[in-house]
Amino acid sequence: DAKTTQPPSMDCAEGRAANLPCNHSTISGNEYVYWYRQIHSQGPQYIIHGLKNNETNEMASLIITEDRKSSTLILPHATLRDTAVYYCIVRVANNAGNMLTFGGGTRLMVKP
Amino acid sequence: EADIYQTPRYLVIGTGKKITLECSQTMGHDKMYWYQQDPGMELHLIHYSYGVNSTEKGDLSSESTVSRIRTEHFPLTLESARPSHTSQYLCASRGQGNEKLFFGSGTQLSVL
Repeated sequence: DAKTTQPPSMDCAEGRAANLPCNHSTISGNEYVYWYRQIHSQGPQYIIHGLKNNETNEMASLIITEDRKSSTLILPHATLRDTAVYYCIVRVANNAGNMLTFGGGTRLMVKP
Repeated sequence: EADIYQTPRYLVIGTGKKITLECSQTMGHDKMYWYQQDPGMELHLIHYSYGVNSTEKGDLSSESTVSRIRTEHFPLTLESARPSHTSQYLCASRGQGNEKLFFGSGTQLSVL
């Protein structure tokens, strides 16, 4: 799996958009970008994933650059409950021999 | 929401005891995983299974063992617990062709 690089921590004001960057410069053509988050002491939760087109769901938006070497997870209106560690992962989809490897992630602190 | 359950949520035991951490899912998922996570640190894969009677060791060496006799059940056992086993243990599962990994709430194990 391609290695990802994320800032270790970020702050965001409540109600503002949180933009979390991820670099994956060695991503290959068949690797997807996945985002999970882990709220303190809980198991990680799936947020969104994409290949090359931008994606949006009820939780967030995922913007992938045209060269696919980086992406940004956007929480449009951050709330205090969005405080968590956010993990960016790249892997080949539907590959039975390929597990999700979690790195250090970005610790997002949403402040009132 | 995911239907994957871990028990107990918290466990404090003495050195040398045998323990089994339970993980069950009602989604019929064939792939199941155990991760270990120390406070503020990364998740490390310690065991995984692709189906009944299939178990493999993960990236991080662990003295624990697992079994997969039934699709829905993936227990983790420590024959003789030691203080170095103190950690959070997270169970996860995903189905065939399903890219989402569903996590349980975890078991926080403390060995005295």
